[in-house]
Amino acid sequence: NAGVMQNPRHLVRRRGQEARLRCSPMKGHSHVYWYRQLPEEGLKFMVYLQKENIIDESGMPKERFSAEFPKEGPSILRIQQVVRGDSAAYFCASSPVREGQFFGPGTRLTVL
Amino acid sequence: GENVEQHPSTLSVQEGDSAVIKCTYSDSASNYFPWYKQELGKGPQLIIDIRSNVGEKKDQRIAVTLNKTAKHFSLHITETQPEDSAVYFCAASRIQGAQKLVFGQGTRLTINP
Repeated sequence: NAGVMQNPRHLVRRRGQEARLRCSPMKGHSHVYWYRQLPEEGLKFMVYLQKENIIDESGMPKERFSAEFPKEGPSILRIQQVVRGDSAAYFCASSPVREGQFFGPGTRLTVL
Repeated sequence: GENVEQHPSTLSVQEGDSAVIKCTYSDSASNYFPWYKQELGKGPQLIIDIRSNVGEKKDQRIAVTLNKTAKHFSLHITETQPEDSAVYFCAASRIQGAQKLVFGQGTRLTINP
């Protein structure tokens, strides 16, 4: 059973460009979470989604950030007009109902 | 909002000795407490978790204890080995598997041969 998959693993963008991060949950998992990790810090919750629904987006910045988990395909975290402060590792996790969250390898975003 | 404090931020122990990492949480409604191990350049790996109806859980060399009254929980690693070197994170949430995790700041554990 493949684990949580994220791509790309590394992403470089210039200021003002868009970043798209993809996450494929583990088979059978219907819950997806996105977290952000700054260097030498813990993970900060961004958004929690189920298929076609955003359940909790209390950790998402109000502007430029959006997330989706369509009926078919991976979950997408989109960052528009990136700024240097967006540089971080972005982790996706998935879980079945009433079980623990399992994390992917992360996407390391660098904004030049 | 919910806050999780983790101590120490760095911990160095001799191979074979025990390591203890402690966390406190603020939300009394928290019911689920996982621990993650993160190696350099990798995603966090779930190593053990505990629910609020249990005071202690053990899995080989790893154990976790929970004191709901005091709102703190701890990770214990016995007979440490060099491969235990990593950053360890505690976390808390209200519901297992259907709720955001609030993470501690992490503990960098170094096992000295």
